[in-house]
Amino acid sequence: DIQLTQSPSSLSASVGDRVTITCRASQNIKTSVNWYQQPSGKAPKLLIYSASSLESGVPSRFSGSGVGTDFTLTIRSLQPEDFATYFCQQSFGVPTFGGGTTVEMK
Amino acid sequence: QVQLVQSGAEVKKPGSSVKVSCTASGGTFSMNAFGWVRQAPGQGLEWMGGIIPFFGTPNYSRKFRDRVTITADQSTTTTFLELKSLRSDDAAVYYCARVPPDADKPAFDLWGQGTLVAVS
Repeated sequence: DIQLTQSPSSLSASVGDRVTITCRASQNIKTSVNWYQQPSGKAPKLLIYSASSLESGVPSRFSGSGVGTDFTLTIRSLQPEDFATYFCQQSFGVPTFGGGTTVEMK
Repeated sequence: QVQLVQSGAEVKKPGSSVKVSCTASGGTFSMNAFGWVRQAPGQGLEWMGGIIPFFGTPNYSRKFRDRVTITADQSTTTTFLELKSLRSDDAAVYYCARVPPDADKPAFDLWGQGTLVAVS
């Protein structure tokens, strides 16, 4: 199976900060990466699909980039509701997820 | 508004089985793909398997192939996950999630609320 390594596993940030989360795949997966946000105690929510496409209804401060093995999720100006855990997932092969990145309040 | 509504929490004994349901309301059903993803306490997300109801043939993660059965009932727009021979490390929240038939969006764009399964 394709392994996804997310970094960092956690980070502390303030409202208004720019936040960047990375996801590295164990092999070339083209643009087959999706990003999810999971607030504590809730189900995941799709943010970005196919590396850079913004899901309908998701604020434009979220963006994704990357191709091949290295991918990035960026939150341009962190808002209070953005404190959550973020996961990448690959859809190139059998679905697998990254280990998650928890964004905490500084 | 399409929703996925899952069955309620379960408490099971080790060695027993659990069956969780996920009912889709609104929209089409049969051509979507439905996956099952679990999350152990404080852990990440783990895909267990999935099914496209129109075709009816599930596919499973190698890890769970011997213990899991995924089915779909088009008449009730419901998918089911059955996990057998439960162990303590099967305690988790189990989610169903939809992949739409849109080939340009191969992602889980809709999730159920989750079903907590305790094993003790």
